[in-house]
Parts: sequence; structure tokens; C-alpha cells
Amino acid sequence: DAKTTQPTSMDCAEGRAANLPCNHSTISGNEYVYWYRQIHSQGPQYIIHGLKNNETNEMASLIITEDRKSSTLILPHATLRDTAVYYCIVRVLNFGNEKLTFGTGTRLTIIP
Amino acid sequence: GAVVSQHPSWVICKSGTSVKIECRSLDFQATTMFWYRQFPKQSLMLMATSNEGSKATYEQGVEKDKFLINHASLTLSTLTVTSAHPEDSSFYICSANGLAGPYNEQFFGPGTRLTVL
Repeated sequence: DAKTTQPTSMDCAEGRAANLPCNHSTISGNEYVYWYRQIHSQGPQYIIHGLKNNETNEMASLIITEDRKSSTLILPHATLRDTAVYYCIVRVLNFGNEKLTFGTGTRLTIIP
Repeated sequence: GAVVSQHPSWVICKSGTSVKIECRSLDFQATTMFWYRQFPKQSLMLMATSNEGSKATYEQGVEKDKFLINHASLTLSTLTVTSAHPEDSSFYICSANGLAGPYNEQFFGPGTRLTVL
């Protein structure tokens, strides 16, 4: 899997949009961008994924640059419960036994 | 979404004893399960990949004789930490890979915190 780089930590005011960047400059054409988050002392939670188009679901939006070398996860109205470590992962989608390689992630703190 | 459970959620044991952790997919069949370990303030590190009915595949540096994995059915995988020592104290997380989601997502359990005295 290609490597990703993320800022170590970020703060965001409650109610504002949280924008979390991720660089994946060596991503391959068949690799998807996945985002997970891990709230303290819990297992990771799937957020969203995409290939090249922007994606939106009930949790977040994912913006992928045209060259696919970077992406941004957007939490539109951050709440205190969004405080967590956010992981950006790139992986091939092959319906096989694909393991996930977690980097260090971004520790997002929502400030009241 | 699909649910993965782990039992126990936490365990404290004496050095030298063995501890078994269960990982269950509650509403879907998991052809593959993964076991991760996470030390404080560190990221998740994959320990092994478990396939139903076959031997687990261990990551480099993980002792297969110490961390026994059994994936006896499509809904249950177990991790046994044999002769546990204080350095094995960690947060153990399993995930299940199945066809529950539209894109073959991995679903994670809530984790098991192991403390070895």
C-alpha cells in the first residue's frame, strides 16, 4: 500500500468545519483513499472512502484532488464527540483479504 | 453497519498465564479476520491475518507460538496470548473482513485491554 502523511494534531472549534488533510503522492491508479477514526480506547470506525470523485455521507465529505495526490476529510459541523485520531489509508479494493496499514494519524481535538 | 464484538473488554492476569480473546462478527460472515495490537499513544500494528479453516498469517516479528490464532468458524476468531508477560500488556483489536458492506469494508471490534501483572 502507498504511504500517507498527515499532520500530527489539529484543533477545531466546536460547530465549525474540521478539515483534515492527507498526502498520498505515490498512490496508484487502483488504490482508494479510506478514512477511519479512533476515539480513545475504542476500535477504529469507518468514515468514508473514495477513488477520484468527491464523496459525501452522513458523517463527512471527502475531497480528492484531481491528481489524486492528496485529499481532505471534512467534518462539516464538528462536535465534541468528533475528538479522535483520524487515519487516512490508501488501499486496493480487490474483495480479497486486504489488510489495512495504519499510519500515525491526526489527533483532532474539538475545542468547546 | 456490521457489528464486531470482542470478549472480554478488559482482562488483568498474572505473568505466566494464558489469556484468550474472542472476536465475533455478529450479523455477517467473516471470511477473514485481522488482529491488531496498539500500545499507548501509538498506532495500530497488524499482528496477523486469520482465514477461516486455515492457518493464520503472521506479520514479521510476531511470534506465532506466543500468539495463537484460531478461526474455527465464519463468525469467530480467537487470539490466545500464551505465557503472558508485562510487555504483552496492550490494547488488542480485531477486525472482520466480509461482504457485509458494499465495498468489502473492514469492521473493527471495540478492543480488549490486556494488563499483565
